[in-house]
Amino acid sequence: SQQGEEDPQALSIQEGENATMNCSYKTSINNLQWYRQNSGRGLVHLILIRSNEREKHSGRLRVTLDTSKKSSSLLITASRAADTASYFCAKDSGGYQKVTFGIGTKLQVIP
Amino acid sequence: EAQVTQNPRYLITVTGKKLTVTCSQNMNHEYMSWYRQDPGLGLRQIYYSMNVEVTDKGDVPEGYKVSRKEKRNFPLILESPSPNQTSLYFCATRGMGNYGYTFGSGTRLTVV
Repeated sequence: SQQGEEDPQALSIQEGENATMNCSYKTSINNLQWYRQNSGRGLVHLILIRSNEREKHSGRLRVTLDTSKKSSSLLITASRAADTASYFCAKDSGGYQKVTFGIGTKLQVIP
Repeated sequence: EAQVTQNPRYLITVTGKKLTVTCSQNMNHEYMSWYRQDPGLGLRQIYYSMNVEVTDKGDVPEGYKVSRKEKRNFPLILESPSPNQTSLYFCATRGMGNYGYTFGSGTRLTVV
């Protein structure tokens, strides 16, 4: 079964607004990662948050992690048209175990 | 520059004709993996390799083979492709510990 399920599956906002995407998972994690994918291209790693961290920032990105609720959120502030892409969360159980991806949130930022 | 190079980028083939998708990384990582991406299903792992000569099945290994004879290369082999293997394929690598994946650009495979 898929871990790291994103919500919503699609999101359309105006340029300048904030975009929030959520991710839930089922079992314990070592870290949780967020990726971005432009249409048909390879995924690009955005940010990684460890299980003992609650919040992390990178530029306009803010990621939170709530291990008690087994959920994470990605906030993109002051969105731009160039942020239009699909965003995936991925659960890493640690060691050499696989990283499991969700089905993604498709974000459209309207200029 | 850290890179994962996949070839070919696009491939159309016929049912039953063996094919190989190549993957090469220049980061000296032990861990490499193959994923397929299908609409509504996200990315699903096919095979992964923890080091040279060490490979293991992912979630959807049926119909695929891999080999890891050198650290940098991890080819994906379809011995007898079928239409249900039409998909977008990604090779990825990562370092040990808390690191994200570096992905290749993808191979769009169509089996007719």
